[in-house]
Amino acid sequence: DSGVTQTPKHLITATGQRVTLRCSPRSGDLSVYWYQQSLDQGLQFLIQYYNGEERAKGNILERFSAQQFPDLHSELNLSSLELGDSALYFCASSVVGDRAYEQYFGPGTRLTVT
Amino acid sequence: QKEVEQDPGPLSVPEGAIVSLNCTYSNSAFQYFMWYRQYSRKGPELLMYTYSSGNKEDGRFTAQVDKSSKYISLFIRDSQPSDSATYLCAMSVTGGFKTIFGAGTRLFVKA
Repeated sequence: DSGVTQTPKHLITATGQRVTLRCSPRSGDLSVYWYQQSLDQGLQFLIQYYNGEERAKGNILERFSAQQFPDLHSELNLSSLELGDSALYFCASSVVGDRAYEQYFGPGTRLTVT
Repeated sequence: QKEVEQDPGPLSVPEGAIVSLNCTYSNSAFQYFMWYRQYSRKGPELLMYTYSSGNKEDGRFTAQVDKSSKYISLFIRDSQPSDSATYLCAMSVTGGFKTIFGAGTRLFVKA
């Protein structure tokens, strides 16, 4: 158990809908990362937050947005969903400083868009 | 061309074999090199980490980084069926910032 929690575990929804994925980082970790993992694209970095502020953006679509709240939990919002958005979405967290490379991953949310 | 290239496999070996997993990369600014292991339907977990060039050993696992060739390797000695998983290489310029992952290599160790 990494200490990172994600809800829900599974999500099935229709095209055009909007969903919210939630992540709670390990106790003490200030950085949260979101990744998308699909069969053909591998693990793709979406966005990073540090202590409530956006720190880095990767290949995140404009239909997707995220935020980190004062209690450090984070939410990833996916809107106008398309079939191609079906994937595993992982959240990871890390400390800052010398050990920031060490990311702890949650169990993931499996999103199926029908 | 992807920043990080990794052969997706699958790689199938008998128990006890030495396994070699590799990645190449194009960004010479990468300084942090990691290997993650991911079991089916689970999140990745960090196995090994190397900063800049050199070797690092941890039990049956050895990580090597050759920055001149932009090539990293993970060796698993005396492989076990429990090592069957997907192994992802990952790298970043600064620790934790925009980490780029390889596609992952699926490894099967047969008893």
